[in-house]
Amino acid sequence: EDQVTQSPEALRLQEGESSSLNCSYTVSGLRGLFWYRQDPGKGPEFLFTLYSAGEEKEKERLKATLTKKESFLHITAPKPEDSATYLCAVRSGATNKLIFGTGTLLAVQP
Amino acid sequence: GAGVSQTPSNKVTEKGKYVELRCDPISGHTALYWYRQSLGQGPEFLIYFQGTGAADDSGLPNDRFFAVRPEGSVSTLKIQRTERGDSAVYLCASSFDGSGEQYFGPGTRLTVT
Repeated sequence: EDQVTQSPEALRLQEGESSSLNCSYTVSGLRGLFWYRQDPGKGPEFLFTLYSAGEEKEKERLKATLTKKESFLHITAPKPEDSATYLCAVRSGATNKLIFGTGTLLAVQP
Repeated sequence: GAGVSQTPSNKVTEKGKYVELRCDPISGHTALYWYRQSLGQGPEFLIYFQGTGAADDSGLPNDRFFAVRPEGSVSTLKIQRTERGDSAVYLCASSFDGSGEQYFGPGTRLTVT
């Protein structure tokens, strides 16, 4: 069964304190790994798609990386506005459905 | 351009009632998805449309749930005989052709009392 596990469940950082969020996955035939940001009361906002091991993508203070078993979302010098829940998802096999992890709740304190 | 829109934003209904939730995808997107998100959880897949047809409805929990997309654009998720366990945020997403990233709407928060 395809599965996505995210850690930690919650992370509290001081402004400027860099860290990484982890997404471990098991899937039969990866057809994309996705990172989303979700603010309270809103729908998930698309950040990145990664397709193959070794691939990296960057956007502002965020960088996503992918191996054959996990993905990392690196946050460099975070700011309070980076506070949100970060969701990881995989699209598997012959379907186009996304299988999500439970997310990491990030709080960045000034 | 306009993103995915969902109406209503909030819906409170009594147990046993029928509800309809509407989704307007991004213009030109042929693929449309419904997900359900409970508090503290990630979105859970319900159904996927490619054009007018349901290409994958394996996530619908039971036969009280039904969705349509008659003209390949707007979709309606219909829930009959609502139960308190149906309370959740219902999210709609669309993508250009089903192979790329999915863009989500703001969701409809359904509360069954």
